[in-house]
Amino acid sequence: AQTVTQSQPEMSVQEAETVTLSCTYDTSESNYYLFWYKQPPSRQMILVIRQEAYKQQNATENRFSVNFQKAAKSFSLKISDSQLGDTAMYFCAFLPGTSYGKLTFGQGTILTVHP
Amino acid sequence: DAGVTQSPTHLIKTRGQQVTLRCSPKSGHDTVSWYQQALGQGPQFIFQYYEEEERQRGNFPDRFSGHQFPNYSSELNVNALLLGDSALYLCASSLAGPGTDTQYFGPGTRLTVL
Repeated sequence: AQTVTQSQPEMSVQEAETVTLSCTYDTSESNYYLFWYKQPPSRQMILVIRQEAYKQQNATENRFSVNFQKAAKSFSLKISDSQLGDTAMYFCAFLPGTSYGKLTFGQGTILTVHP
Repeated sequence: DAGVTQSPTHLIKTRGQQVTLRCSPKSGHDTVSWYQQALGQGPQFIFQYYEEEERQRGNFPDRFSGHQFPNYSSELNVNALLLGDSALYLCASSLAGPGTDTQYFGPGTRLTVL
């Protein structure tokens, strides 16, 4: 069974600054996918970024980038130039390559961006 | 391009009752997964439907059942409701295939059991 751990229950950052959210996972799978989802107070779960484990290059989506360390089983999310709209709960999620869609989520990190 | 839709938005039931939640997948998607999210927690996988059959199931009792229709929409049914079933129920859609890919979530149905 896979486990996903987010060790930071809450984080805060000033607008325009950079923040990094941590995520570690445990698996015996060699092929898998990792995701960061954002859930604002409106509760809609929104995909932020996706990483395929077999790709060494870290994924990037505009202001969002990841630091994927496969050997360390670490998958952190960096948000640059933080905006007020980034305020949300962020979830790290794991999907085995052999699975039919069973995402395993971490406990979440509440990020607050202050003006 | 319509995203994932769910109905109803909110629902209040009493213990012992039965409830049905509905989900329409994102246009072009054929697979629907259901998750339960307790307040302040990450979502927990309930099950996934593909080709009108349950393809994978999480650690949920048989009181949780589902259905997928030929148009790929899906229902989640919960029987004999317990107080602990109060949660946000999320539907996610994707394309078929092991490990594929990204799941897109709907806005959720907030179920309150009194």
